[in-house]
Amino acid sequence: EPEVTQTPSHQVTQMGQEVILRCVPISNHLYFYWYRQILGQKVEFLVSFYNNEISEKSEIFDDQFSVERPDGSNFTLKIRSTKLEDSAMYFCASSGRAVTGELFFGEGSRLTVL
Amino acid sequence: DAKTTQPPSMDCAEGRAANLPCNHSTISGNEYVYWYRQIHSQGPQYIIHGLKNNETNEMASLIITEDRKSSTLILPHATLRDTAVYYCIVRGASGGSYIPTFGRGTSLIVHP
Repeated sequence: EPEVTQTPSHQVTQMGQEVILRCVPISNHLYFYWYRQILGQKVEFLVSFYNNEISEKSEIFDDQFSVERPDGSNFTLKIRSTKLEDSAMYFCASSGRAVTGELFFGEGSRLTVL
Repeated sequence: DAKTTQPPSMDCAEGRAANLPCNHSTISGNEYVYWYRQIHSQGPQYIIHGLKNNETNEMASLIITEDRKSSTLILPHATLRDTAVYYCIVRGASGGSYIPTFGRGTSLIVHP
């Protein structure tokens, strides 16, 4: 069964450093998402991406965050200058349809900012 | 904000049916009801979705009331591996409401 894969599974970084989280969506999907989950809290939407541009973003997704699809297969989330409060699980998801398509999530990347 | 209300926790005996309720009294005509679950800290997993008819797949059944203001997810023979947080999500066809928004969900514990 096709699946969404994410790397790294766990990254530890120092505050102020840049981090790139990588995702390989399911191959024929066109809609991509990033969510995050701070320990013990809800799964929060960050951003959605379609046709090489951001389609929706939340208030959390500020100027420190960016997404891109550099090579037609990977989908990346970059955090420019990490803060302690960026420590969370980051989930990538993809879907074959925008509105009624179910999202397929990866296993997540755990980011720890020291 | 999530447009659904779910009990924070439920438990169920292994082998029995687990019936997870969800209230979505403000649902509009073009909004679907989706269910996902999250096992421990893994990525959420899609279970099922429906608009107004009852739906069944290999994982579960979804029963939507006629007025569409509530629904029930049924796991017909719960196993220990079904222990997870279950999220009921209302998702529309326009604007930002098509983005799945996760609430607190229901923590289901299946016990032997």
